[in-house]
Amino acid sequence: NAGVTQTPKFRVLKTGQSMTLLCAQDMNHEYMYWYRQDPGMGLRLIHYSVGEGTTAKGEVPDGYNVSRLKKQNFLLGLESAAPSQTSVYFCASSYSRWDTGELFFGEGSRLTVL
Amino acid sequence: RKEVEQDPGPFNVPEGATVAFNCTYSNSASQSFFWYRQDCRKEPKLLMSVYSSGNEDGRFTAQLNRASQYISLLIRDSKLSDSATYLCVVSVGSNYQLIWGAGTKLIIKP
Repeated sequence: NAGVTQTPKFRVLKTGQSMTLLCAQDMNHEYMYWYRQDPGMGLRLIHYSVGEGTTAKGEVPDGYNVSRLKKQNFLLGLESAAPSQTSVYFCASSYSRWDTGELFFGEGSRLTVL
Repeated sequence: RKEVEQDPGPFNVPEGATVAFNCTYSNSASQSFFWYRQDCRKEPKLLMSVYSSGNEDGRFTAQLNRASQYISLLIRDSKLSDSATYLCVVSVGSNYQLIWGAGTKLIIKP
């Protein structure tokens, strides 16, 4: 039972470097999400997707891009990393719309930008 | 005022005790409410949805108070394994966007 898998689990970047976080789910869910979690704050939605080939901006999309070329994968890209992007990133998926059922989360990816 | 507010705690509670904490929300039109739990350095996991009439799942009871705009979570006969951070989630707006609270940390002591 893999569920939602995120790679990598940890990454250290220098300011200005780029990277991609990969999220894969094996539950055939239509909806996928990228969140960031910072100390003392609730999870904040970066981008989301309601199906293969679709993406939409969340609450804090600046500095990030996403792609959903395949239903099971949702990629989060940082084109030019900044220290403010140091955070824990969680991918999630759901069978139904986000407010109607359970979100299933990956284990998280800890990113440090120096 | 934050859209969703929680007491960060920590709540230090002896094993076997009953503990309750609240989550207040600012948007009176909010329709969906959830409690998630998050273990230290782990991902959030759904604990329970919160229904208008209140609902119970074993030792856990969730209540919604629309008049005062808060939801509550009560844990009876607390176990060491209940130690975690409890996240409140509320839907807002025409897009039913989910707003997450920062969480209440619960520590159950033997």
